[in-house]
Amino acid sequence: LAKTTQPISMDSYEGQEVNITCSHNNIATNDYITWYQQFPSQGPRFIIQGYKTKVTNEVASLFIPADRKSSTLSLPRVSLSDTAVYYCLVGDRGGYNKLIFGAGTRLAVHP
Amino acid sequence: GAVVSQHPSRVICKSGTSVKIECRSLDFQATTMFWYRQFPKQSLMLMATSNEGSKATYEQGVEKDKFLINHASLTLSTLTVTSAHPEDSSFYICSAPNRGASSEQFFGPGTRLTVL
Repeated sequence: LAKTTQPISMDSYEGQEVNITCSHNNIATNDYITWYQQFPSQGPRFIIQGYKTKVTNEVASLFIPADRKSSTLSLPRVSLSDTAVYYCLVGDRGGYNKLIFGAGTRLAVHP
Repeated sequence: GAVVSQHPSRVICKSGTSVKIECRSLDFQATTMFWYRQFPKQSLMLMATSNEGSKATYEQGVEKDKFLINHASLTLSTLTVTSAHPEDSSFYICSAPNRGASSEQFFGPGTRLTVL
């Protein structure tokens, strides 16, 4: 499984756009990029998944350049409730595959 | 979306006792479930893959005789921490993929285990 590297922590303010970048230099051809969000003392929650270019849903956007060696999770207009740890994972698309979590990025949103 | 529950949400036990944690898929069937452990301020660590009707597959370094996993039905997997010690105190989380949404896993709310 490809290793991922993310910033350990980020700070933002309410209403700002937050971009969290993940490096995955050894991504394989069949690998997808998936992001999960985890609030304190809760299980993670799926946010978004993509293979290339751009994916957008009601929560976030995921930007993936052509070489796929990195990806950026974009959270528009964050609120205090977006304070959480965000994990970038790389691997097979199917949910039946085991997930190997990296350290994640701890996002703190301030008033 | 699919719902995964865990019971209990928190448990405190004495050193040397065994603790059972249940993971249930409430509105879908799960032939596979995963168990994770998470220490404070750390990431999730995959412990094992639970397979309905067969033995669990443990990750390297996880003692299968200490962390007993039983996937008794298509909606229930249990993790038993045997002869628990204070170093087993952690946040245990299970997850399951939903056949109808093949790209994601659904996580339970977690179980906080404290061993005195």
